[in-house]
Amino acid sequence: GENVEQHPSTLSVQEGDSAVIKCTYSDSASNYFPWYKQELGKGPQLIIDIRSNVGEKKDQRIAVTLNKTAKHFSLHITETQPEDSAVYFCAASPSGGGADGLTFGKGTHLIIQP
Amino acid sequence: KAGVTQTPRYLIKTRGQQVTLSCSPISGHRSVSWYQQTPGQGLQFLFEYFSETQRNKGNFPGRFSGRQFSNSRSEMNVSTLELGDSALYLCASSQGPPGELFFGEGSRLTVL
Repeated sequence: GENVEQHPSTLSVQEGDSAVIKCTYSDSASNYFPWYKQELGKGPQLIIDIRSNVGEKKDQRIAVTLNKTAKHFSLHITETQPEDSAVYFCAASPSGGGADGLTFGKGTHLIIQP
Repeated sequence: KAGVTQTPRYLIKTRGQQVTLSCSPISGHRSVSWYQQTPGQGLQFLFEYFSETQRNKGNFPGRFSGRQFSNSRSEMNVSTLELGDSALYLCASSQGPPGELFFGEGSRLTVL
């Protein structure tokens, strides 16, 4: 089955700086790669996703890049703000997040230092 | 539009008991998935239902089961509870594959 590795487990950055979280996956059949943000006491919330026919996608301060050959994808957050502090999860799926479910990374605790 | 609703939010059970968790998906969503979240194992896929049919199941023992009703609401059941079943159980709904998964806030189960 699919295996998703996520690094780092904890990331501390100064407010206003950029943050980068990296994930690798093992199943070349995976074609859908979402990123979720989970705040304390809440369920994960989708912040951005990318499909395998796209190399990069951007939404305001958040961007995701995908390298299918190397089987890795990354989340980039620019101009970080205190409200960006949370746990971020990457995931992969061969069926667009449908019947096969999502395989998640172990998460990155992002800390924004004021 | 109301989000995914899970009940109960918190519950405490003892070993050997069983538990039933409920999930009401977003109106119009026909796919419901369940995930277990623990500090050690992270988020793990339990099963997925679409139009009352279980289409896939993760690597969990048969003590974990679920069902979906004609109105798309779903329940999951864990029988003969073990200490290791203590976790946050998350339900997610989707309009149908492929599609964005919308998660509820979860049901936190503590097994004593």
